[in-house]
Amino acid sequence: AQSVTQLGSHVSVSEGALVLLRCNYSSSVPPYLFWYVQYPNQGLQLLLKYTSAATLVKGINGFEAEFKKSETSFHLTKPSAHMSDAAEYFCAVSGSGAGSYQLTFGKGTKLSVIP
Amino acid sequence: DAGVIQSPRHEVTEMGQEVTLRCKPISGHDYLFWYRQTMMRGLELLIYFNNNVPIDDSGMPEDRFSAKMPNASFSTLKIQPSEPRDSAVYFCASSLSDQGGEQYFGPGTRLTVT
Repeated sequence: AQSVTQLGSHVSVSEGALVLLRCNYSSSVPPYLFWYVQYPNQGLQLLLKYTSAATLVKGINGFEAEFKKSETSFHLTKPSAHMSDAAEYFCAVSGSGAGSYQLTFGKGTKLSVIP
Repeated sequence: DAGVIQSPRHEVTEMGQEVTLRCKPISGHDYLFWYRQTMMRGLELLIYFNNNVPIDDSGMPEDRFSAKMPNASFSTLKIQPSEPRDSAVYFCASSLSDQGGEQYFGPGTRLTVT
């Protein structure tokens, strides 16, 4: 079964600083990988998706993520944090075969941006 | 498209009452998922449908929970009887089979059982 580990349930950065949110997955076959963002009292919104077309994936709001097969990682980065980036971020991996449409989510990382 | 629509947005009920949560997926999507989110357990998949047929309900916590999808544009999640531990945010999401698994989430229903 797929699993996703997000390191750090809370991350704080200063406005303008680099954002790095870590995600590791366990799978024998490179799956689809996703990052979602959840703003307070809202549903999850897709930030970006890895589909094996390119290891560096660009998403919305200036975020990007790099797929590293050798490290089974899919970390999310943004060069300069903005106050509006404060939210909870979820890494997710799709299943394989018959379960390929299910997503397994990490426990989430809450990002705080300090002015 | 209006996105995934859920109703109600908030529900407060007393223990023992029946609760029905509703979801309208994005038109044309053939997968529908119900999730529950709590602080303690995070985001849990309860059940999902493909072309209105339940495929995997192994995440449904117990027999008090049931879900139906009578047609491609409507699904319900019912809890009967409700208990305080059912208090959570319930999300519905939908996806299209040829889009590589990305799911689109509704705004959620915040359920409080007193």
